[in-house]
Amino acid sequence: NAGVTQTPKFRILKIGQSMTLQCTQDMNHNYMYWYRQDPGMGLKLIYYSVGAGITDKGEVPNGYNVSRSTTEDFPLRLELAAPSQTSVYFCASSGVARAKNIQYFGAGTRLSVL
Amino acid sequence: AQTVTQSQPEMSVQEAETVTLSCTYDTSESDYYLFWYKQPPSRQMILVIRQEAYKQQNATENRFSVNFQKAAKSFSLKISDSQLGDAAMYFCAYRSAGASGSRLTFGEGTQLTVNP
Repeated sequence: NAGVTQTPKFRILKIGQSMTLQCTQDMNHNYMYWYRQDPGMGLKLIYYSVGAGITDKGEVPNGYNVSRSTTEDFPLRLELAAPSQTSVYFCASSGVARAKNIQYFGAGTRLSVL
Repeated sequence: AQTVTQSQPEMSVQEAETVTLSCTYDTSESDYYLFWYKQPPSRQMILVIRQEAYKQQNATENRFSVNFQKAAKSFSLKISDSQLGDAAMYFCAYRSAGASGSRLTFGEGTQLTVNP
């Protein structure tokens, strides 16, 4: 059972570089999310998607972009990386129906911007 | 906007004892869900328990149970017969029931230590 798969697990970026964090789910979930978790803090929503072709901003979207071309994939793009983006990034997915609305998380990507 | 508050940054418990983690939330909605997630050192977010606001009965999952007080907007987690493997960061989270409000709002977490 793959569930939600994130790649890479770790990455170090230099200031100003760009990168894409990949997220794939195999549960046919409509909803997908990107969160970031700063040290000692809870998770904050960056972007989310309610289906292919539809995305919306969360609490902390600045400096990030997303796209959702398929149900399975929801990549997160960092343009011009800054030290403030040093964090652990989690992707999650969930179904729509009340009985299926539990969010399942990937294992996270630890990103350092130096 | 909804907010979730966990007022205990750290808690500790002796193995085999019982511990209760506190969570309060603020919302004007009547239909929503509440969750407790566990995050061990591996960083994986693991769902512990889920409560639906329209259900008066408190959710239970083996050694984990909640005390859901809707009027007081309180949602505490009780861990019975604590085990070393329960040591982790625990997050309380809120989710609106409406389709447009499917995001989770997290508290800042409680670090639980289990002493042998």
